[in-house]
Amino acid sequence: GEDVEQSLFLSVREGDSSVINCTYTDSSSTYLYWYKQEPGAGLQLLTYIFSNMDMKQDQRLTVLLNKKDKHLSLRIADTQTGDSAIYFCAERVGSSNTGKLIFGQGTTLQVKP
Amino acid sequence: GAVVSQHPSRVICKSGTSVKIECRSLDFQATTMFWYRQFPKQSLMLMATSNEGSKATYEQGVEKDKFLINHASLTLSTLTVTSAHPEDSSFYICSARTGVESYQPQHFGDGTRLSIL
Repeated sequence: GEDVEQSLFLSVREGDSSVINCTYTDSSSTYLYWYKQEPGAGLQLLTYIFSNMDMKQDQRLTVLLNKKDKHLSLRIADTQTGDSAIYFCAERVGSSNTGKLIFGQGTTLQVKP
Repeated sequence: GAVVSQHPSRVICKSGTSVKIECRSLDFQATTMFWYRQFPKQSLMLMATSNEGSKATYEQGVEKDKFLINHASLTLSTLTVTSAHPEDSSFYICSARTGVESYQPQHFGDGTRLSIL
């Protein structure tokens, strides 16, 4: 089946690195995404990674993918208070015509000053 | 780029009212748009996939007569909640894919908070 799991809460101090973890079950997933949601708002795409990649870095964000273990992580370097939000990982399933996303429950990141 | 606009941002209305929510892609054409529902402190649940010029594909358990979707142009999809009741109160979010290729991500609107009294 299609299932995406995330830990629900992470608390870090400003300036530290944050690591948010995600596991998925569909081995046919081709793309995996990280989205950020601030209170009362929609989702903002942060980054995505293709399944044949192990790592992708974009400024303060580093995505690591372990396809064997179906494990995805998002590392935020030098975490700021503005990074406080809910972070969702999502896997893309289905054919290229549909390509629907299955979301995890979301990880609430709390950044303490 | 890839801006998705969703209106209205908030609706409060009486039970039995039908409510229309618009989702527009502002700077790109979207052949495929998606409608999600999000309950408080929960993840997004896909309701339906909307394809321009054809009927929407609904997820299991979603009533198509209750949630009417129209995707009449490459930049606009609408979701109409017909005869809304308090249990339909939720946060509805749309997204649009920038193209038909499988790698192109979905970009989301800011959501519509629907409250039925």
